[in-house]
Amino acid sequence: GAGVSQSPSNKVTEKGKDVELRCDPISGHTALYWYRQSLGQGLEFLIYFQGNSAPDKSGLPSDRFSAERTGGSVSTLTIQRTQQEDSAVYLCASSLGWGHEQYFGPGTRLTVT
Amino acid sequence: AQSVTQPDIHITVSEGASLELRCNYSYGATPYLFWYVQSPGQGLQLLLKYFSGDTLVQGIKGFEAEFKRSQSSFNLRKPSVHWSDAAEYFCAVGSKTSYDKVIFGPGTSLSVIP
Repeated sequence: GAGVSQSPSNKVTEKGKDVELRCDPISGHTALYWYRQSLGQGLEFLIYFQGNSAPDKSGLPSDRFSAERTGGSVSTLTIQRTQQEDSAVYLCASSLGWGHEQYFGPGTRLTVT
Repeated sequence: AQSVTQPDIHITVSEGASLELRCNYSYGATPYLFWYVQSPGQGLQLLLKYFSGDTLVQGIKGFEAEFKRSQSSFNLRKPSVHWSDAAEYFCAVGSKTSYDKVIFGPGTSLSVIP
């Protein structure tokens, strides 16, 4: 079946604007993860969903970041009042549950000008 | 606090040579351990994982890793490197007992000389 998909693949936005990043997980995967990968850096864990619930939101960098998941499927990561330091690749992954292999999407490359 | 270190930022090896990528972690409980690979223009792919049991774990593409609790290490090895192995490699640690954060190391970039 289809893998994890993310949209848009690229997003260029002006500083101060809000952006929404979308993740479509693999059908049947109850766990969904968001990560951020900055240039030359490793992956930074942002948030994890089990179903529609997020047990741990402390990885979100600031209160400008929020995420939701509806219907146990699609998730949206919203960044309000974007800053240049938000520029990065945002990766989404899904899995059958905690501890199972995570399947990663291709990422959304966000550039804040 | 959880942390993962990968001491080598970049490694260059000749094709056919053996490879070992180092990973050390700091974690209060028994961890889940993972190695992922990110090839240029590709997404992240799981190479192998350790949950419990045999401390020598076999993965895809001929990779293996050994969990050494006494050294808090989970080094990745391959006996003979292929040019297609050139990529970024990430070690990661997660909790076995709670829905805790998964922490990734900073990555090791591998270059392969033909």
